[in-house]
Amino acid sequence: EAQLVESGGGLVKPGGSLRLSCGVSGFTFSDAWMSWVRQAPGEGLEWVGRIKSKTAGETTDYAAPVKGRFTISRDDSKRTVHLQMNSLKTEDTAVYYCTPYHEGSYVYWGQGTLVTVSS
Amino acid sequence: DIQMTQSPSTLSASVGDRVTITCRASQSVSDWLAWYQQKPGKAPKLLIYKASTLQSGVPSRFSGSGFGTEFTLTISTLQPDDFATYYCQQYNSYSDTFGQGTKLEIK
Repeated sequence: EAQLVESGGGLVKPGGSLRLSCGVSGFTFSDAWMSWVRQAPGEGLEWVGRIKSKTAGETTDYAAPVKGRFTISRDDSKRTVHLQMNSLKTEDTAVYYCTPYHEGSYVYWGQGTLVTVSS
Repeated sequence: DIQMTQSPSTLSASVGDRVTITCRASQSVSDWLAWYQQKPGKAPKLLIYKASTLQSGVPSRFSGSGFGTEFTLTISTLQPDDFATYYCQQYNSYSDTFGQGTKLEIK
């Protein structure tokens, strides 16, 4: 059974930075394309970005609201994916989930980590 | 970016009803369309992927259809556990997008 554990959330001031991590087990991480999805309080799901596997070029794609501010990376040896968030805005306040792709969709989810951007 | 529009935003129904939720894409996504159920405080649960493939373990009262730009999620006979919020999601080579959600409420 796949398990994903997100960490690194917390309270940060506008303009600040935060690095989220997601440790995974129960599936072949090195083959997985990994996405980050967020959900602001009381709002819907929003795709943040993804990183492909090394064999697919380890390329990244980002949603327009975070492009240029967020960076996704992965460490296959540690089975971990990271989300570096810079120049944070109040509208980035959300629960952040990491999730692997399966046929263009997401089967496995962690519990999420809450990021609060507030002065 | 591809926009996904769900309708209705809120749906009131009773146990035993048949309900349909629609998701429209701003351009063709082929069959790269998934449906999720989410309950408060929980992560989303995958119901349908590739537009019409039922995820393992999901009850057969859930079904999906569509191709290109118009998709539907149907629940054939509503059960008490089905009252939740539902999202569609498209995948393409550049980005994913979720619909804004449909809240299914008890009438």
